[in-house]
Amino acid sequence: EVQLVESGGGLVQPGGSLRLSCAASGFTFSDHYMDWVRQAPGRGLEWVGRTRKKTNGYTTEYAASVKGRFTISRDDSKNSLYLQMNSLKTEDTAVYYCARVRDNSWYLDLWGRGTQVTVSS
Amino acid sequence: DIQMTQSPSSLSASVGDRVIITCRASQDISRCLAWYQQKPGKAPEALIYSASSLQSGVPSRFSGSGSGTDFTLIISSLQPEDLGTYYCQQCKSYPVTFGGGTKVKIK
Repeated sequence: EVQLVESGGGLVQPGGSLRLSCAASGFTFSDHYMDWVRQAPGRGLEWVGRTRKKTNGYTTEYAASVKGRFTISRDDSKNSLYLQMNSLKTEDTAVYYCARVRDNSWYLDLWGRGTQVTVSS
Repeated sequence: DIQMTQSPSSLSASVGDRVIITCRASQDISRCLAWYQQKPGKAPEALIYSASSLQSGVPSRFSGSGSGTDFTLIISSLQPEDLGTYYCQQCKSYPVTFGGGTKVKIK
């Protein structure tokens, strides 16, 4: 089955760190750019960032709101995507989704179910 | 950053109605636009890409049009299962940005 499954969410104090994972199955993970998107409670979708594939140097892009605090990485041998979140703020509280980027069309054609991150003291 | 503005922010329509949602980009994005549907408590799903191409498996009552800065999502005959929130997203430049969403309710 073609799917993405996020894990690693939870409750963390402000200033703390958390690492999210996204396990991909049913498709050739290494062929795709991958994104993280988040959704704060009762709010809309906010793009967090992107990792390109090996042929594009695994380079990354980030939203200004997380740049310098969050790091996206991937391990193609494990079909896994990661989001390392440091210096967390209360406004980072959200459901975090990983999503696959469709080649050449640049839209998000496959989404995981999401994992909840709550930043609170 | 490219700002994406959707209207209306919410609407209520009857089963069988034609529903139109608009999305305006703050600068020319050509046809690099996608639409997503998010049902309550679920992850978003792609409906339309490249402004007017239907994602595989999506019912043909959904259609998209537009280019440049103005785009439209049309549901030709609203069904009960179409309730949810709809988002547009530009893919022309970084950062990727989404519209604020349009919540569709069934009368």
